[in-house]
Amino acid sequence: DTGVSQNPRHKITKRGQNVTFRCDPISEHNRLYWYRQTLGQGPEFLTYFQNEAQLEKSRLLSDRFSAERPKGSFSTLEIQRTEQGDSAMYLCASSLVGEGEQYFGPGTRLTVT
Amino acid sequence: GQQVMQIPQYQHVQEGEDFTTYCNSSTTLSNIQWYKQRPGGHPVFLIQLVKSGEVKKQKRLTFQFGEAKKNSSLHITATQTTDVGTYFCAVTNTGNQFYFGTGTSLTVIP
Repeated sequence: DTGVSQNPRHKITKRGQNVTFRCDPISEHNRLYWYRQTLGQGPEFLTYFQNEAQLEKSRLLSDRFSAERPKGSFSTLEIQRTEQGDSAMYLCASSLVGEGEQYFGPGTRLTVT
Repeated sequence: GQQVMQIPQYQHVQEGEDFTTYCNSSTTLSNIQWYKQRPGGHPVFLIQLVKSGEVKKQKRLTFQFGEAKKNSSLHITATQTTDVGTYFCAVTNTGNQFYFGTGTSLTVIP
């Protein structure tokens, strides 16, 4: 297993378009997290899954954001009607329940023009 | 959400000098994690602290969790150029949702 992978690595889109990112966690990890990171800031929690269940979602997260993990393996994060303020690095991390250590993927850098 | 303050924001040191970053919370924490992010990279897990007053060492790195479980520190002895990066603490009071600090960016001058 080569760790957490994310696709695409970069995405440039025009304002108002929808985008979808994919995260493939480490295969035996049952927890999957999505974070957003902007320059000079720490990762900001967006949501997390345990297996296929979405257990928590940030109250700050707009309704334009939705995430799924249909079979408890890979996950997708969709942003509808993108805005320039959505430009950021979107990071995915996975872990095992009870162990805490999160393994991060390389991220998807989104630029909204 | 959880408020976590991390200081300093930036630190420049000469190679060989020591470095310390601090993470402070207004509430009692379940545990705290520390991550390192190299420029252009993604966060990499360093350590998790769970017990009050816990101290853990990894070679030149020493991590400490406060007695009240509201603060933590990361100390690097005799910095090297490979220590360059941003160090983040990540806190939780539930064990599920993690809140990252703003990080301390370390520059090591050769």
